Amino acid sequence: KAGVTQTPRYLIKTRGQQVTLSCSPISGHRSVSWYQQTPGQGLQFLFEYFSETQRNKGNFPGRFSGRQFSNSRSEMNVSTLELGDSALYLCASSLDSNSNQPQHFGDGTRLSIL
Amino acid sequence: GIQVEQSPPDLILQEGANSTLRCNFSDSVNNLQWFHQNPWGQLINLFYIPSGTKQNGRLSATTVATERYSLLYISSSQTTDSGVYFCAVRVTGGGNKLTFGTGTQLKVEL
Repeated sequence: KAGVTQTPRYLIKTRGQQVTLSCSPISGHRSVSWYQQTPGQGLQFLFEYFSETQRNKGNFPGRFSGRQFSNSRSEMNVSTLELGDSALYLCASSLDSNSNQPQHFGDGTRLSIL
Repeated sequence: GIQVEQSPPDLILQEGANSTLRCNFSDSVNNLQWFHQNPWGQLINLFYIPSGTKQNGRLSATTVATERYSLLYISSSQTTDSGVYFCAVRVTGGGNKLTFGTGTQLKVEL
């Protein structure tokens, strides 16, 4: 079956703009989590959505937000982009929240801020 | 929060050599995964191993949960094994939040 699909793969924006990234989980998976990867901070948890509800949130400013739809697809939005938001954004899906199941990652969206 | 430390941070091997990567964590976990990130940024699942030992081809992993560490063994390394290896853990009650280590950068040379 198809893996986790993230779109777009690459994105270039300028400071002050906003951006929306999309993640489609593996079929049947209901939990979607988002991570940011930068050279300086490594891989950091942004938030998790399950059954259209945010279940968990990392230590990021309110400019970072997300949502989940009834088909489990998720979007994350970053408003008022800053240079430091340049990163690889990874999405992971899992069957359920807080379950003893592995998480599977998409190929990521590489966001560059000019 | 939980701390995850990986060692060594960097490793250079000749093709055919064996290696052991280590992951130490500071608290009890109910999930531990090993990933390989290739040069294109893709995170590939290697093992889901909260405890015990698993093997998959030239790779194997062991987690000793009571002593809070996990080991990843790579045997007969190949140039395609190059990349960054991450371990990631989840604590009970933390939903699906994974806390990642800082990774081991592996380069396998001919």
